[in-house]
Amino acid sequence: DAKTTQPTSMDCAEGRAANLPCNHSTISGNEYVYWYRQIHSQGPQYIIHGLKNNETNEMASLIITEDRKSSTLILPHATLRDTAVYYCIVYQTGANNLFFGTGTRLTVIP
Amino acid sequence: GAGVSQSPSNKVTEKGKDVELRCDPISGHTALYWYRQSLGQGLEFLIYFQGNSAPDKSGLPSDRFSAERTGGSVSTLTIQRTQQEDSAVYLCASSLTKGTHGYTFGSGTRLTVV
Repeated sequence: DAKTTQPTSMDCAEGRAANLPCNHSTISGNEYVYWYRQIHSQGPQYIIHGLKNNETNEMASLIITEDRKSSTLILPHATLRDTAVYYCIVYQTGANNLFFGTGTRLTVIP
Repeated sequence: GAGVSQSPSNKVTEKGKDVELRCDPISGHTALYWYRQSLGQGLEFLIYFQGNSAPDKSGLPSDRFSAERTGGSVSTLTIQRTQQEDSAVYLCASSLTKGTHGYTFGSGTRLTVV
């Protein structure tokens, strides 16, 4: 069942930051926010995840609001290769699978 | 291996035939998942294996679908008496354990039923 709401599509200029929002207003205290992306004709790729605190890795940053009802994935300097569908997923510890909704189709424009 | 390997990468089969799709997970990963993705759609969960526990088959769409995982490693997804609506990309993923570790997906098997 979908626990997240994401815009259907977004554009971003190459070299600029891409900020992808996600609403998860019914998230529970033991549920994590995960982000994956799927480049055309490939399997999904793990990007980042977090519980309460903001997280950063070599791919992206994840900003989670204090009330945890929404989050933003930030790609600091988008490249053409970042064009993909980005999935925001709420995952409950111990659940048997991740539910992938329809995601946000990000198009990076030259 | 370095990643999740799936074979074949493409499979065209006639309606009514049986097909087997193979997944080699990352060595040491105890959790293995099968998903399918129809054209332009999101991922649909099919089945989950964790170690020697009974698999979670709750996502299998019909009794024509079955899967096994031998020796806690390689998994085979079998579709019997294929139908045109079975046409999709079948994706396998593995993770170190069930829990907060990210999944690593294979590139999938594109199944076309004609």
